[in-house]
Amino acid sequence: DVKVTQSSRYLVKRTGEKVFLECVQDMDHENMFWYRQDPGLGLRLIYFSYDVKMKEKGDIPEGYSVSREKKERFSLILESASTNQTSMYLCASSLMDANSYEQYFGPGTRLTVT
Amino acid sequence: RKEVEQDPGPFNVPEGATVAFNCTYSNSASQSFFWYRQDCRKEPKLLMSVYSSGNEDGRFTAQLNRASQYISLLIRDSKLSDSATYLCVVNTRTDSWGKFQFGAGTQVVVTP
Repeated sequence: DVKVTQSSRYLVKRTGEKVFLECVQDMDHENMFWYRQDPGLGLRLIYFSYDVKMKEKGDIPEGYSVSREKKERFSLILESASTNQTSMYLCASSLMDANSYEQYFGPGTRLTVT
Repeated sequence: RKEVEQDPGPFNVPEGATVAFNCTYSNSASQSFFWYRQDCRKEPKLLMSVYSSGNEDGRFTAQLNRASQYISLLIRDSKLSDSATYLCVVNTRTDSWGKFQFGAGTQVVVTP
């Protein structure tokens, strides 16, 4: 059974803080994704990675960076948190052929920036 | 205009009834289509892929209409446990990995 875990379910940070969100998957998937989900907007892709140390920008990468040093771990970094980054953050993983295979999601991290 | 649009609902459905809803997509080059289900405060999970010929999985039937650029989901004999938000997902292969676009979801509430 595929498992994607995220480091925190709830997180409260202050404006300007550096924030790290961690995601780990245990199925040896090549692809990993970071999304944010906001009411009425659906899931929007922030970044994805198709291999260790490889990353591609998604639709809304501004204000975020990512790190993938190991295949199973994909980190999302908010360099200087702002209130408009308050959101639900979802990590996902999938096999290499991301066009045909399902994405497995973690439980999400609800981040509040005050 | 959003690339993937869904009626947000809620669709209030009596238990045992049938409900159907659509999702429209704007990019005619879209190649893969999926329905995901998201329970309240939970992560999305794949419900079913949508094939060109249409496909059925138990009480769920998915259809694709390429000419009109929409996919549909029909739920027969609705159960209370079908209450969830249903996310339409469209993949447009513009490069080696493609690009998934998620709709904002359609909420279904099944009532006793």
